Amino acid sequence: DAKTTQPNSMESNEEEPVHLPCNHSTISGTDYIHWYRQLPSQGPEYVIHGLTSNVNNRMASLAIAEDRKSSTLILHRATLRDAAVYYCILRDESGTYKYIFGTGTRLKVLA
Amino acid sequence: NAGVTQTPKFQVLKTGQSMTLQCAQDMNHNSMYWYRQDPGMGLRLIYYSASEGTTDKGEVPNGYNVSRLNKREFSLRLESAAPSQTSVYFCASSHDRASNQPQHFGDGTRLSIL
Repeated sequence: DAKTTQPNSMESNEEEPVHLPCNHSTISGTDYIHWYRQLPSQGPEYVIHGLTSNVNNRMASLAIAEDRKSSTLILHRATLRDAAVYYCILRDESGTYKYIFGTGTRLKVLA
Repeated sequence: NAGVTQTPKFQVLKTGQSMTLQCAQDMNHNSMYWYRQDPGMGLRLIYYSASEGTTDKGEVPNGYNVSRLNKREFSLRLESAAPSQTSVYFCASSHDRASNQPQHFGDGTRLSIL
């Protein structure tokens, strides 16, 4: 199974940009990179996904390295409501199509 | 917009008791999933249903059974609960299994087994 590596925790000041890194050196050519976040006492929430090109949506931007071995989730202006655990996930294409969750990055936003 | 609804939200069981966790989605999704999340860990897939009428084992299926009752509903059953099954259980759904389709999660069922 292709796996991802993320820092355990990060801090950011409110209204500043946040760059959350993810390494996935064993990614295969067909694996999409997904990002989810989980707020306290809630289920994971979809943030963004991409394959090769950088992606933008109303929540965040996803920057994917040219060799696809790493990616960065960018929150352009962190708010207190962005405090959550952020998961960088690859899909298992071998049959179960499961998400391979790691332990994620706990983001703390300082007022 | 209900999305994915899980019931109950909390439950305490004694070892050996049985229980069914219910999940329903109103997004007309074909695929549904059951995950468990233990403290400090990511989610692990228990079972999934790629489409109505089919179910398959995930990463940690032992001690669980599932039923895809119809397109909307996917239930998870613990036949004889064990303390090791104390966890938070999440149900999710997606349009299909394609890798570019996001999954939508419920808010979870917090299950304690004494």
